[in-house]
Amino acid sequence: GNSVTQMEGPVTLSEEAFLTINCTYTATGYPSLFWYVQYPGEGLQLLLKATKADDKGSNKGFEATYRKETTSFHLEKGSVQVSDSAVYFCAWGSGGYQKVTFGIGTKLQVIP
Amino acid sequence: NAGVTQTPKFRVLKTGQSMTLLCAQDMNHEYMYWYRQDPGMGLRLIHYSVGEGTTAKGEVPDGYNVSRLKKQNFLLGLESAAPSQTSVYFCASSYRRLAGGTRLDNEQFFGPGTRLTVL
Repeated sequence: GNSVTQMEGPVTLSEEAFLTINCTYTATGYPSLFWYVQYPGEGLQLLLKATKADDKGSNKGFEATYRKETTSFHLEKGSVQVSDSAVYFCAWGSGGYQKVTFGIGTKLQVIP
Repeated sequence: NAGVTQTPKFRVLKTGQSMTLLCAQDMNHEYMYWYRQDPGMGLRLIHYSVGEGTTAKGEVPDGYNVSRLKKQNFLLGLESAAPSQTSVYFCASSYRRLAGGTRLDNEQFFGPGTRLTVL
């Protein structure tokens, strides 16, 4: 069935380290792909998105490229900050009813 | 704009009690959703609505009912709460995607969540 696979973590990095969170998806057709972020005690908010193959989404120093050939949408950031500590969800959406399938979320901890 | 709001923020119930969670959005979104978030499970869709007066089942609908009497409100009801329903509940809303894409392409806007404990 349709799904999103990402590591649960936690991923622990030192400040200014390079971040990669892998995400692969299984879906039919041409879904839109998203990364959402959830800060402690808050709801999810959209971080970035890509709506077609080879598109790159970017926001707040984070980037992800829609790779249809590898069905991946890995999240990267060149230099993480303590304030980036959060849970990151990869997701895809398609269809007339806009149902979005979320991964389990990856917890990121950035230490000073 | 307040965006998506949820009430209450916290609630403790005893097994068998009932309650209703309220979600409201002021963005004139057509679609609304209820999710539950559990450790190691991510977000799972309970019910959703594609417009006023319409609802549909999601991935885990058992034990829940919903209503969308007004476009801006989406209510989630638990008729007889069970400990397995202890979770954090999130409401979300989105525009209707237009044919061929655009209209923000499925982006969902989330409320702050309701933490429910069933004893």
